[in-house]
Amino acid sequence: GQNIDQPTEMTATEGAIVQINCTYQTSGFNGLFWYQQHAGEAPTFLSYNVLDGLEEKGRFSSFLSRSKGYSYLLLKELQMKDSASYLCAAPSRNSGAGSYQLTFGKGTKLSVIP
Amino acid sequence: DVKVTQSSRYLVKRTGEKVFLECVQDMDHENMFWYRQDPGLGLRLIYFSYDVKMKEKGDIPEGYSVSREKKERFSLILESASTNQTSMYLCASSVRAYKNTGELFFGEGSRLTVL
Repeated sequence: GQNIDQPTEMTATEGAIVQINCTYQTSGFNGLFWYQQHAGEAPTFLSYNVLDGLEEKGRFSSFLSRSKGYSYLLLKELQMKDSASYLCAAPSRNSGAGSYQLTFGKGTKLSVIP
Repeated sequence: DVKVTQSSRYLVKRTGEKVFLECVQDMDHENMFWYRQDPGLGLRLIYFSYDVKMKEKGDIPEGYSVSREKKERFSLILESASTNQTSMYLCASSVRAYKNTGELFFGEGSRLTVL
């Protein structure tokens, strides 16, 4: 099974840097996803890490440490439009037919203030 | 552009009614998923399907069933709606990937209220 933990809420200032942490416990590791979800909208894909280290994509970066069961999403030069929930998710093998399902953490609601 | 379409954005039903939520994807994806999202509980997987006519229970399948007769369409059925099924329902699809779900593409969601 999966156990995924992330902080419930965070607040940061426009122009600053914020780090959103995610810890996971999985029965078999097959990578880690980050999604962004604006209020009232569907989640959208941000990043996927399967190897240790930092992956940078513009203002957003995602880090993974498999040995520590830990990931973080780093948002630089924060903008007001970055106010959203950020969801950490990990795939795991379903006990049924052995296909894979994606389990999400409860999400971190980020508020960016002027 | 990738497109996952859910049939209804908002529904209001009465306790005991049968409810159908339809989802269609136009990307020829093998995998399709139904989640519900509730405040404080996050996204929870109800059912998913990795191929036509195949279905797998997720973490909270009780009170729900699904149907996948065609590759592009995945339906969620509430046989007898109850008030605790009031929620936002999100459909998603993805291409089959090795030891993974692949990137999920979500529909806009269907907000169901059961009175």
